[in-house]
Amino acid sequence: EVQLVESGGGLVQPGRSLRISCTASGFIFDDYAMHWVRQAPGKGLEWVSGISWNTGTIGYADSVKGRFTISRENAKNSLYLQMNSLRPEDTALYYCAKAANYMLRDSYYDSWGQGTLVTVSS
Amino acid sequence: QSALTQPASVSGSPGQSITISCTGTSSDVGGYNYVSWYQQHPDKAPKLMIYDVTNRPSGVSNRFSGSKSGNTASLTISGLQAEDEADYYCTSYRTSSTYVFGTGTKVTVL
Repeated sequence: EVQLVESGGGLVQPGRSLRISCTASGFIFDDYAMHWVRQAPGKGLEWVSGISWNTGTIGYADSVKGRFTISRENAKNSLYLQMNSLRPEDTALYYCAKAANYMLRDSYYDSWGQGTLVTVSS
Repeated sequence: QSALTQPASVSGSPGQSITISCTGTSSDVGGYNYVSWYQQHPDKAPKLMIYDVTNRPSGVSNRFSGSKSGNTASLTISGLQAEDEADYYCTSYRTSSTYVFGTGTKVTVL
């Protein structure tokens, strides 16, 4: 059974940094692209970033480009999101999502974690 | 990056069919057959319902179907049931290795 467990969320002040993680199990992690999707309280889903199986292709939403960095460590079955210069509008539940193939292109999300809440506030 | 446009809400009676539209541009919905749809119940993670415009994952009811015409994709739910009441989101690949979600549609079963 595929399991995705996010961690590392919390309360952080504007302008500060935070790294969230996603630990995967139940599938061959390095065979699949992975994504981060967020959902602000009471709002819709927003794609944040995606990374191909071998980190060869990476994409970011305009709203986070230059501030967030996605990475993965296949040996540890782990996905990360380094978030710098955080803003109140980054407050959201951050989901880790598994793509159905190894590429970033044609990436639909066949498994999701339960999310980790990031709150940016002074 | 502007979101894809979906109606805020759609409703129907049990047994009826409803259709949710998802309108983008030639740089996303119209340019690729990489549209997928997700169902989200309150306080739950999203669930994949349709991928690559028309394909249904195993385990998803055949009451759910997808289509696309030009820059607009659609999700149709036939034989509406109480359990279908949820939020629905479309998403599409966009140029330069990015993705965009729709604004979301709340489906109400009357």
